[in-house]
Amino acid sequence: SQTIHQWPATLVQPVGSPLSLECTVEGTSNPNLYWYRQAAGRGLQLLFYSVGIGQISSEVPQNLSASRPQDRQFILSSKKLLLSDSGFYLCAWSVLVNQPQHFGDGTRLSIL
Amino acid sequence: GENVEQHPSTLSVQEGDSAVIKCTYSDSASNYFPWYKQELGKRPQLIIDIRSNVGEKKDQRIAVTLNKTAKHFSLHITETQPEDSAVYFCAASRSLNYGGSQGNLIFGKGTKLSVKP
Repeated sequence: SQTIHQWPATLVQPVGSPLSLECTVEGTSNPNLYWYRQAAGRGLQLLFYSVGIGQISSEVPQNLSASRPQDRQFILSSKKLLLSDSGFYLCAWSVLVNQPQHFGDGTRLSIL
Repeated sequence: GENVEQHPSTLSVQEGDSAVIKCTYSDSASNYFPWYKQELGKRPQLIIDIRSNVGEKKDQRIAVTLNKTAKHFSLHITETQPEDSAVYFCAASRSLNYGGSQGNLIFGKGTKLSVKP
């Protein structure tokens, strides 16, 4: 069966520091991958999605970036974090577009 | 682009009662409608979904109905239990044959359901 891993589970970073969150999927090939952000008590905001290695689409302009160096690896990065980057970051995968998405356990990011 | 409205934002029911959450969508090309349950501090989990070629789908105490003409779909939970307490999200997406971010889920803002024992 397919599983999705995200780490770290929690992260506390100072303003201006870099960020790297990693997500990997097991048990499937060429999945669609997604990064979402959820502010406290709010809905899900799609940040990036990828349909294949090296293919990244950005939904919201921001100081974050994403990369997909391997088929089942998706990385969310920032060179300099802002206070507004705090939130719950969720990675998800699906077999194809317009199909069920399955979420990882998330990373809770706090910026000080 | 697609816009999904979800109501109510909060819902409180007594244990054993039914709960109904409604969503409307704007894009008539949307054809896939999942519902997610998110417990506090945890990941959203898919609980039921429906495609536009059916009007209703049931899974034990949970059912989803779809009205394509009116462009709305609803989640029905019967015989609610305290463990049903969570935030529920609806979403909509459309097939690949259309332009833009085709196939990506557009989420509603969520409904916080509280089931009182």
